Amino acid sequence: DSGVTQTPKHLITATGQRVTLRCSPRSGDLSVYWYQQSLDQGLQFLIQYYNGEERAKGNILERFSAQQFPDLHSELNLSSLELGDSALYFCASTAWGGYGYTFGSGTRLTVV
Amino acid sequence: DAKTTQPNSMESNEEEPVHLPCNHSTISGTDYIHWYRQLPSQGPEYVIHGLTSNVNNRMASLAIAEDRKSSTLILHRATLRDAAVYYCILLNNNAGNMLTFGGGTRLMVKP
Repeated sequence: DSGVTQTPKHLITATGQRVTLRCSPRSGDLSVYWYQQSLDQGLQFLIQYYNGEERAKGNILERFSAQQFPDLHSELNLSSLELGDSALYFCASTAWGGYGYTFGSGTRLTVV
Repeated sequence: DAKTTQPNSMESNEEEPVHLPCNHSTISGTDYIHWYRQLPSQGPEYVIHGLTSNVNNRMASLAIAEDRKSSTLILHRATLRDAAVYYCILLNNNAGNMLTFGGGTRLMVKP
């Protein structure tokens, strides 16, 4: 157990649907990062939150959004899902300064 | 962002040392060299990081060239559980602190 909890572990849904992925960071970590890993793209940075505020954006589609709540857990919302959104979605957390990032075990999303 | 170059794959025998190279010729003075690894079906895992001096921890050693344009991750005795993709990443905390992953090196360990 890395200390970063992601739920659900697996998700199968149909095209056009909307899903929410949840991440609870390691205790005390204020920063949360979301990554997408597909077979042909590797690990792609999506978005970062720090203490509830968006800090940096990467290759995140407009159909995707995220937020970090006062208790520091984060949710990644994926809407109008397409087949190409099938991937592993990882969440990572770190304390400010970011020397060691702790990743969760991921959510495997399959869009059918 | 400064980029890193790693071999796509490497093979090692179990219980032998493994040297995983990384080139980063455009590294800046404030870039830290980080190594992460990703075991099959798991999230990436922190291995080690350094700035200028060589570093050791319980998992590995990091040897950094004097000009900092290359580094080597050293696993002193490879085990089957070390089979993973190893990522060398430059992290400049002055410019924000997200990890940017390249293709990494897939390490295969033979019994």
